[in-house]
Amino acid sequence: DIQMTQSPSSLSASIGDRVTITCRASQSISTYLNWYQQKPGKAPKLLISAASSLQSAVPSRFSGSGSGTDFALTISSLQPEDFATYYCQQSYSTPFTFGPGTKVDFK
Amino acid sequence: QVQLVQSGAEVKKPGSSVKVSCKASGGSFSSYTTNWVRQAPGQGLEWVGRIIPILDIANYAQKFQGRVTITADRSTSTAYMELSSLISEDTAVYYCARAVDSGAPLAYWGQGTLVTVSS
Repeated sequence: DIQMTQSPSSLSASIGDRVTITCRASQSISTYLNWYQQKPGKAPKLLISAASSLQSAVPSRFSGSGSGTDFALTISSLQPEDFATYYCQQSYSTPFTFGPGTKVDFK
Repeated sequence: QVQLVQSGAEVKKPGSSVKVSCKASGGSFSSYTTNWVRQAPGQGLEWVGRIIPILDIANYAQKFQGRVTITADRSTSTAYMELSSLISEDTAVYYCARAVDSGAPLAYWGQGTLVTVSS
């Protein structure tokens, strides 16, 4: 199975901050890397697919980068609605494993 | 507009089984894959398995092999996940989620079904 790790596990930030979350795969997954946002009590929401493809209706302050084993999600200017938990997930091979998540909260 | 509507919350005894449904509307049910993901209280997301309805093929995470069965009824556009030999650690919200093909992301999610395992 492909193991996914994320760092940090949590971070505190202020409105307007630039935030970067990293994700690493235990083996190369090309660009089969997706990012999800989850708010309490809600289903996850797909933000970015194929490492860097922004989903429609997702604000342009979100961006993704990387290939192979190392990836990043960046929020260029944190907004109040961005406080949530973020998960990476590989869709290269089954089982389609998730990272452990990064909780972004208010400083 | 793809929508996934899951069945309601369940309370089960240890050792019993639970079957959760996921009815799809919009899009082509057969050509999408339906995945099941669970989330224990306060924990992260865990992929359980998936079915490719057009091929009637299911894949499962090794952890659940032998205990989980995922099926699909194309006539009603409904996918099912059955988990047997339940233990307290199976208490979680179970989500169904659809992808357009095998390597695609989980673009559409159901609302989740809470399964509580308690004696």
